[in-house]
Amino acid sequence: DGGITQSPKYLFRKEGQNVTLSCEQNLNHDAMYWYRQDPGQGLRLIYYSQIVNDFQKGDIAEGYSVSREKKESFPLTVTSAQKNPTAFYLCASSGSLETQYFGPGTRLLVL
Amino acid sequence: QKEVEQDPGPLSVPEGAIVSLNCTYSNSAFQYFMWYRQYSRKGPELLMYTYSSGNKEDGRFTAQVDKSSKYISLFIRDSQPSDSATYLCAMSTGGFKTIFGAGTRLFVKA
Repeated sequence: DGGITQSPKYLFRKEGQNVTLSCEQNLNHDAMYWYRQDPGQGLRLIYYSQIVNDFQKGDIAEGYSVSREKKESFPLTVTSAQKNPTAFYLCASSGSLETQYFGPGTRLLVL
Repeated sequence: QKEVEQDPGPLSVPEGAIVSLNCTYSNSAFQYFMWYRQYSRKGPELLMYTYSSGNKEDGRFTAQVDKSSKYISLFIRDSQPSDSATYLCAMSTGGFKTIFGAGTRLFVKA
């Protein structure tokens, strides 16, 4: 059963804490993406990766970091430098440049 | 001005109605146009994908692209309560960056 999984579904962050969101895909896609979704706004690109061991900043990369050590995995770390982290985070992957397939999302809340 | 503009709604229609959802854009280099459906607290799912201008039909859904007007539409025929969701338009020049609209919330009343 191919698809994209994200975990956890909900994540709570204390002030000053770094947290990591998991994203795994078994679609054999080369490209993976992280987006942030806030109410009333479109998806905003945080980071993307075209191949293993390579990634580029998106429009709102400040306060976030990523790694791409395996084709299947693209974890996102929300660092303490991100002052407004409360949002719905979506991971996506793509086998062609035009169409992206999304995971179920992780909702991050600040305690 | 945003690259992609989409009316956030909400749009409320009775069951069985024809729904029209629209987006306008400013970048004439966009060649690929997508519509995603997103249920509450879920990830978006790809509904329709169109390259360049023209129409594409899939069941009750029809996507239209008018590049001369920089305007795209999604039509839903015989709308059902299960169509209630947020619909996101998206477009790309063919590179790795896709621009998404803010989404239109649709409610279909039984």
